[in-house]
Amino acid sequence: GESVGLHLPTLSVQEGDNSIINCAYSNSASDYFIWYKQESGKGPQFIIDIRSNMDKRQGQRVTVLLNKTVKHLSLQIAATQPGDSAVYFCAERDINAGGTSYGKLTFGQGTILTVHP
Amino acid sequence: EAGVAQSPRYKIIEKRQSVAFWCNPISGHATLYWYQQILGQGPKLLIQFQNNGVVDDSQLPKDRFSAERLKGVDSTLKIQPAKLEDSAVYLCASSPPGGVVDTQYFGPGTRLTVL
Repeated sequence: GESVGLHLPTLSVQEGDNSIINCAYSNSASDYFIWYKQESGKGPQFIIDIRSNMDKRQGQRVTVLLNKTVKHLSLQIAATQPGDSAVYFCAERDINAGGTSYGKLTFGQGTILTVHP
Repeated sequence: EAGVAQSPRYKIIEKRQSVAFWCNPISGHATLYWYQQILGQGPKLLIQFQNNGVVDDSQLPKDRFSAERLKGVDSTLKIQPAKLEDSAVYLCASSPPGGVVDTQYFGPGTRLTVL
């Protein structure tokens, strides 16, 4: 079945370093990918997304890279700050799944990012 | 703009008891989702509503879970009877009508502990 997984369950970095969080997916039909940040006691918060026809997208301090050949997604955070400490999830969307034109999101397991001051 | 509201934030019950969660989505959002998030895992979709109709409940354990969105706004998720493995955070999310992609806005969740 469909699955989205992460290579590293935990990542510890020093403040100011760059962070890279990885994600593997298995559904080649997925056309859209999202990274979410979840802080303790809160719901997931959208960070950045990328469509399957792109291989890179940049936001403010964040970059998402998509390698469809090996079904791999990564989130790069530049100059990581203590406020970036959270659990990060990747999610994939299969437009043909679910019951609406929105498709269906499948979330991965998550990576815990800890930023040390 | 107010976010997705959920209540209660925490609930502790004993197995075989019943429990209900409430969600108020962002005003104007037609699509509402309920997710189950077990500790250490990503959210898993339980049920998706489009207005007051169910469009996907394929992963909802229908023998014990039920959900409704009668007027196309608020929604309730019920578990009856609860099992130990139901201990999780229950997240509600909503997304606006139209558009090509599905931007979901999540509430803070309800943490359920079943003893």
